[in-house]
Amino acid sequence: ETGVTQSPTHLIKTRGQQVTLRCSSQSGHNTVSWYQQALGQGPQFIFQYYREEENGRGNFPPRFSGLQFPNYSSELNVNALELDDSALYLCASSLGLTEQYFGPGTRLTVT
Amino acid sequence: QKEVEQNSGPLSVPEGAIASLNCTYSDRGSQSFFWYRQYSGKSPELIMSIYSNGDKEDGRFTAQLNKASQYVSLLIRDSQPSDSATYLCAVGYNFNKFYFGSGTKLNVKP
Repeated sequence: ETGVTQSPTHLIKTRGQQVTLRCSSQSGHNTVSWYQQALGQGPQFIFQYYREEENGRGNFPPRFSGLQFPNYSSELNVNALELDDSALYLCASSLGLTEQYFGPGTRLTVT
Repeated sequence: QKEVEQNSGPLSVPEGAIASLNCTYSDRGSQSFFWYRQYSGKSPELIMSIYSNGDKEDGRFTAQLNKASQYVSLLIRDSQPSDSATYLCAVGYNFNKFYFGSGTKLNVKP
């Protein structure tokens, strides 16, 4: 167990809806990164938050947004859901910009 | 687009053998390199990190990095059936962007 928690575990949404996923980082970690993992693929980097600021972003559209709170927990928000957004969403925490430890993930299904 | 390439496998090795997993990456500016293990239905678990050329050993695992060849590998000695999983190579750029390969599936046969 890494100490990184995510909620909810599973989620079913309809196309066009909005979703918020949550992550609590491991104690002492100040950096959170979010990833999307489609079946059979490696995780795709969405963005990273470091000390409450977005610190890096992958090739995801602006409808993917996030927040990091003073306690270093984080949210991932996805607007205007599309069928292709169905995936496992992973949160990873780290101390600074080094080794990342993953939470159990949230399985999102868009119908 | 920064690429991280891995052979998808499956790589099959007998119990007790050495498993060799390989990864190449496209961006010469990459600065950090990681190996993760992912069991089916679970999230990735960090095995090793390596930042400089050469070998790094941790128990049965050895990571090897060659920045000139843009190549990173993972050796698993004395492979066990419990090592059967998908192994993901991850590469960090500027320490704020990370790219994963699609993973190599390893089967260790008893």
